[in-house]
Amino acid sequence: EVVLTQSPATLSLSPGERATLSCRASQSLSTTYLAWYQQKPGQAPRLLIDAATNRATGIPARFSGSGSGTDFTLTISSLQPEDSAVYYCQQRTYWPLTFGGGTKVEIK
Amino acid sequence: EVLLVESGGGLIQPGGSLRLSCAASGLTFSEADMSWVRQAPGKGLEWVSAIQTPRRGLARFDTYYADSVKGRFVISRDNSKNTLYLQMNSVRDEDTAIYYCATHAWDSWGRGTLVIVSS
Repeated sequence: EVVLTQSPATLSLSPGERATLSCRASQSLSTTYLAWYQQKPGQAPRLLIDAATNRATGIPARFSGSGSGTDFTLTISSLQPEDSAVYYCQQRTYWPLTFGGGTKVEIK
Repeated sequence: EVLLVESGGGLIQPGGSLRLSCAASGLTFSEADMSWVRQAPGKGLEWVSAIQTPRRGLARFDTYYADSVKGRFVISRDNSKNTLYLQMNSVRDEDTAIYYCATHAWDSWGRGTLVIVSS
């Protein structure tokens, strides 16, 4: 099973600051099958980024993804209050599919 | 717009059985690979099971399971009813979670149905 390790566990930043979230895989992944999700309390996950770098429909340009192999990054270029949420990475290269443990982003 | 609506959750005793349903609309369901994902209270996301549409002219649906549910849960689908199912057998306390269904475009998720396993 591919283990995805997300760091940091919690990120506390002010509006306008840049957030960098990491997702490290226990083995090399295809970029085609690496995704990022945002989840707010009481809501289902929302797809932000697919294929490591492609923003999903309707996702603001301040969200971007990068990386390859075992190291992937989600960047929020200028945090907005509505970005307060938990962010998860997911790999779909290998069965079983797996999610990272999540990074909680708090807005000061 | 794709709409997924889960149902069938509730309170169930350890060792019992429950069947979850996911009614789909707004998509060609028969062509959609689907998954169940769960989230225990206060915890992260856990992929549970997937069912793929037939590949390369084969008649069967390929199914996949997380080790934590293999041998206990069964995923199935009824394309005539546009519905995905998850049959949960021999449930355990640790199966307590919100269960979401999602398409394998992963941009459409239901709101989830809550399963509580408790005596």
